[in-house]
Amino acid sequence: AQTVTQSQPEMSVQEAETVTLSCTYDTSESDYYLFWYKQPPSRQMILVIRQEAYKQQNATENRFSVNFQKAAKSFSLKISDSQLGDAAMYFCARLQGGSEKLVFGKGTKLTVNP
Amino acid sequence: DGGITQSPKYLFRKEGQNVTLSCEQNLNHDAMYWYRQDPGQGLRLIYYSQIVNDFQKGDIAEGYSVSREKKESFPLTVTSAQKNPTAFYLCASRTLLSGNTIYFGEGSWLTVV
Repeated sequence: AQTVTQSQPEMSVQEAETVTLSCTYDTSESDYYLFWYKQPPSRQMILVIRQEAYKQQNATENRFSVNFQKAAKSFSLKISDSQLGDAAMYFCARLQGGSEKLVFGKGTKLTVNP
Repeated sequence: DGGITQSPKYLFRKEGQNVTLSCEQNLNHDAMYWYRQDPGQGLRLIYYSQIVNDFQKGDIAEGYSVSREKKESFPLTVTSAQKNPTAFYLCASRTLLSGNTIYFGEGSWLTVV
């Protein structure tokens, strides 16, 4: 069953602009973690950012930040000052505490235009 | 170097044959995972294991089997019952002790010929 939903199969952004990728998820638990992973054509999975559900503060990593809306079960990724190297597939994932089940969304293909 | 090693990177299988993909980690991680990736489908969870000698079915376990006899090893067998086995397979692991860092292998490409 798909419990992580990425509603944007593809997105594009101009270099140096800002783009936001959407993610929503299902859970009945209070203990979980959320992630954004980047997958370039090499297929290597690269961690972009992670968020603990018990933390109210949104995570940030340099040009990457999230908007974590716990009540709405929403976890969007904002990429600022987009660079050509940001072009890739981006996957949202949820790790369920306790059961350790780690589930991914279907991904969003991001294109960065020069 | 510490990490996850998947082998083989490329594998060809004849229809009706079973094939086993290897996943080994030297990170002393407790949990290990197998995913299948098809175009437009993202990563779909096949099986996962929290501890030795225990594992759970993921969302698409039919036609696959796993074992977890050792902490560092989590092999995946693609059986002849799997109707569309051609795909990219990813193995991952994480520790249960501290936080939530997940490590991935480089993947294995399986093609049925």
